[in-house]
Amino acid sequence: DAGVIQSPRHEVTEMGQEVTLRCKPISGHDYLFWYRQTMMRGLELLIYFNNNVPIDDSGMPEDRFSAKMPNASFSTLKIQPSEPRDSAVYFCASVLRRTEKLFFGSGTQLSVL
Amino acid sequence: GQNIDQPTEMTATEGAIVQINCTYQTSGFNGLFWYQQHAGEAPTFLSYNVLDGLEEKGRFSSFLSRSKGYSYLLLKELQMKDSASYLCAAVAFSGTYKYIFGTGTRLKVLA
Repeated sequence: DAGVIQSPRHEVTEMGQEVTLRCKPISGHDYLFWYRQTMMRGLELLIYFNNNVPIDDSGMPEDRFSAKMPNASFSTLKIQPSEPRDSAVYFCASVLRRTEKLFFGSGTQLSVL
Repeated sequence: GQNIDQPTEMTATEGAIVQINCTYQTSGFNGLFWYQQHAGEAPTFLSYNVLDGLEEKGRFSSFLSRSKGYSYLLLKELQMKDSASYLCAAVAFSGTYKYIFGTGTRLKVLA
């Protein structure tokens, strides 16, 4: 299996622009998580899905952030409009419930200028 | 509430032993993970403890005490490549799964 695949690896954009981050989980995994990592706050859980259904989005910082999972093999995290304080590494991770072992994608380094 | 605490930074010498501690408070606790993260890379799985006790895997061992809400990661025969952040993460289950991560411990291994 190719593992969790995220794109793009790096994104540089200007304040006010829309940003879309993409994730393909490992085939067969039934949970998908979106995390944001900064030096100050570490890994923060933004939202997670179980069988494509959003379960907990209490970590989404503002209405500017939205996430979707239209099917079992694809999820997006969208920021509109983006702000400089959104600059961070965004990780997607997936897990098969019975194993409980979380696998991470390689992350998207987002820089908002 | 959900809370995980671990030291921010540690320094050790090549060839030495280092223990990284983690305390947690998590409702619906299921188990405790340790992940390694090198700078600029994704976290990678090191160990998973569900039951109390010590799990040994080569140079790395992980310990869990559920009654004390305490875990540690033990790294033996340190190598320069062990310089990384080590993340403690609690798995909670109350209907659905949730993974709560600590802020990570940055380990520097000196020659």
